[in-house]
Amino acid sequence: DAKTTQPPSMDCAEGRAANLPCNHSTISGNEYVYWYRQIHSQGPQYIIHGLKNNETNEMASLIITEDRKSSTLILPHATLRDTAVYYCIVRVPTIIYNTDKLIFGTGTRLQVFP
Amino acid sequence: NAGVTQTPKFQVLKTGQSMTLQCAQDMNHEYMSWYRQDPGMGLRLIHYSVGAGITDQGEVPNGYNVSRSTTEDFPLRLLSAAPSQTSVYFCASSYRQAWETQYFGPGTRLLVL
Repeated sequence: DAKTTQPPSMDCAEGRAANLPCNHSTISGNEYVYWYRQIHSQGPQYIIHGLKNNETNEMASLIITEDRKSSTLILPHATLRDTAVYYCIVRVPTIIYNTDKLIFGTGTRLQVFP
Repeated sequence: NAGVTQTPKFQVLKTGQSMTLQCAQDMNHEYMSWYRQDPGMGLRLIHYSVGAGITDQGEVPNGYNVSRSTTEDFPLRLLSAAPSQTSVYFCASSYRQAWETQYFGPGTRLLVL
């Protein structure tokens, strides 16, 4: 089961900041938060990830609350090309082979309009 | 680098037929995985592999087999196709672990009649 909760859809005007929320109230202390997006029917694309500090890269910023129970992905100047489904993901620890899984939920469908 | 490639792009099967979905990566990644995505749904993990000769089950492994004989290739086999397996299948790879940046292939659309 996905350990995150996201709104099913959001709208944003082109040129404005898009703020996509995610709740992960059961996150453990050493679990990272990841964001991917999927444009139309393409394969998902990595955006950003973080543990407890805010992170920024050329695509987006990630703001994680101090208690780490929620986070917000920020697209500072949304364009029409940012219309996509955005997935907030928390690593799920596994026992075998000492590796974790990424479990995708249903994500937030972001529609950027002119 | 070609990245992650998948073949075929589209396939139609009849119930009971078997087939193999191919996935290859040329980035020397150790971690590879298969997801399926049903209409309007998120991605669900089928199987994954942390290196040649090592595979494990994901969320929805029933009806699928995998093997990893080389680092580059991670084929997904449907043993006896069922209409419930109609979906889009994505292969992904990352350097060593699932939680590193995963690179996804373009997907294979499968229709089982």
